[in-house]
Amino acid sequence: GDQVKQSPSALSLQEGTNSALRCNFSIATTTVQWFLQNPRGSLMNLFYLVPGTKENGRLKSTFNSKESYSTLHIRDAQLEDSGTYFCAAEPGANTGKLTFGHGTILRVHP
Amino acid sequence: NAGVIQTPRHKVTGKGQEATLWCEPISGHSAVFWYRQTIVQGLEFLTYFRNQAPIDDSGMPKERFSAQMPNQSHSTLKIQSTQPQDSAVYLCASSLVWGGTETLYFGSGTRLTVL
Repeated sequence: GDQVKQSPSALSLQEGTNSALRCNFSIATTTVQWFLQNPRGSLMNLFYLVPGTKENGRLKSTFNSKESYSTLHIRDAQLEDSGTYFCAAEPGANTGKLTFGHGTILRVHP
Repeated sequence: NAGVIQTPRHKVTGKGQEATLWCEPISGHSAVFWYRQTIVQGLEFLTYFRNQAPIDDSGMPKERFSAQMPNQSHSTLKIQSTQPQDSAVYLCASSLVWGGTETLYFGSGTRLTVL
């Protein structure tokens, strides 16, 4: 089965609304990274997380290592938030080797 | 800061030909990673260098694939005798590796098509 399971697989949001994406891990996970891949294919790093919570503008992400999941909250969704969101698990500190989920395709519409 | 630079953006090869993909990491970053992305398999780890030394190549197909990092400013991924199943977007990433974090910064990728 998937070692990093992302949900939902696809999501459609109206501009200005809020939502949350989730990753569940079935492998040992020390750190988590979240990325946004834009329609041109570029992967942009959103968060690097040790257990805890980080916030950046309209985005907030939490990594709960005890319950093996991470969430990404999007507040006041904008059209430019559209793309594919990936989470990735690093099994040990500074191994550099990430296991990615299959992504959540987000479409924000007016 | 130009970010991670990958060349070429697109490469088309015939079955059995060789393909070499290039990556220039962000200046000052000491770790370089190669990943592959396909629709079926998603994003898969291939290999990882730190300070130019190969650290983990557990994701590399054992035959036909090799990666080098001859100096701190570039890395190459070479695929010999390319096969149609090698078609994918090959992504290079680098990280600073300072303070215990390994935030990855990806390049735009090389789309390899094997006919």
